[in-house]
Parts: sequence; C-alpha cells; structure tokens
Amino acid sequence: NAGVTQTPKFQVLKTGQSMTLQCAQDMNHEYMSWYRQDPGMGLRLIHYSVGAGITDQGEVPNGYNVSRSTTEDFPLRLLSAAPSQTSVYFCASKRRSGEQYFGPGTRLTVT
Amino acid sequence: AQKVTQAQTEISVVEKEDVTLDCVYETRDTTYYLFWYKQPPSGELVFLIRRNSFDEQNEISGRYSWNFQKSTSSFNFTITASQVVDSAVYFCALSDYNSGNTPLVFGKGTRLSVIA
Repeated sequence: NAGVTQTPKFQVLKTGQSMTLQCAQDMNHEYMSWYRQDPGMGLRLIHYSVGAGITDQGEVPNGYNVSRSTTEDFPLRLLSAAPSQTSVYFCASKRRSGEQYFGPGTRLTVT
Repeated sequence: AQKVTQAQTEISVVEKEDVTLDCVYETRDTTYYLFWYKQPPSGELVFLIRRNSFDEQNEISGRYSWNFQKSTSSFNFTITASQVVDSAVYFCALSDYNSGNTPLVFGKGTRLSVIA
C-alpha cells in the first residue's frame, strides 16, 4: 500500500513551458486535492475532485488545470508556467471519515 | 464560512519544556471534524489526530495530548517534555462531518523550534 504518490519530486521549468504533475493513490479514496505551499502562506487549495469525472476549483485555481478520469489518478497541469508558480505542490486524498493523507510533494521552480 | 486560526506563528522552547499550540476554529456546522498535522523539516505532511465534535474527551498519545473545548471553539495541542525531533510546523484543520467530499480548512501553521 503506497498511499499517495507524486512525481516528479523536483522540477525546474522555464517561463512559458507546460508540464503535468502526477498524483496517484491506492486507497480507493473518492476525494483528492492539490495544494501549493509557499513560505509563510500555509497550504492553499488549488483544485479538488470528489470522484472520477468531477472536479472543482479551490482558492487559487488560476494557471492550473485538472482532470479525473480514474479514482486513482489526479494530475495537475500547468499550461504556461510563470515564476509565481514556483512552490511546493502537495497532492492529497481523503477518506470519507475525514482523514486526509498527503503525498511527499513536488518542488517546482520556474525561472 | 469555516475558519481556523493559529495565532502563534512561531514558538521556540528549550528541550524538555512543555509547549501548547493553540487552534481556534469557526464553523456554523453542529457536527464537524478537527485535525492536527505535522510537517517536519523534511517536508512531508503527517496526519496526527482526528477528533469529531461529538467527543470532547481529551486525548493522549505518549507525549502528545489534545484538548478539545467546544465552548471556546478550541482544539489545542500540547507536547510534554519536548524533544528536538518535535521541531516542525504544525497545522490545525477543520472539515464538516456529514460529507467526506468537502475540502479541509487549514490554519496557517505554527512553527515549533525545540532547542537542545
């Protein structure tokens, strides 16, 4: 049981490049979400999904796209990276009883 | 709207001291969950505890204890005899009870430094 996995662990992009952050969970959780964490800003919700085919915006969705074709996977796409998207990104999945489990994070730098 | 406030941005203690991290929440729900997470310097986010609003009993796990007081909307976390390994950012969070499909609301975290 791997829990929540994320790839890559580190990524450097140039401004304007696109990329997809991968997230997968093997706990059969319906709910998954993406956060970004910047110094002094805590965790900010980007997008979340309550099941395959259903996604919704969080607090800071601009510049990011998501889709959910399976229960297991919830990729986050950066369409045109900007320096303001330099951050640590966490994927999470949540049990119906509320506990949320996080992946190890992806450290993204946009130059 | 739900809100979680962790008023202590940073706390520094000397090893073996006891320390309490404060968490105050706001919600209109009558039933809800409260959580604490730990983020050590290595960066991962670790689930520590879930408490539902029905149960106001304090919980103790080793050196960790949690005090839930519905009357003051607080869910405070105490570390007894702190150790250097307790140095981390600690987040308090809140979610509603009746649906597992709404986002957790996080506080901004308290950075605890335990000095040897």
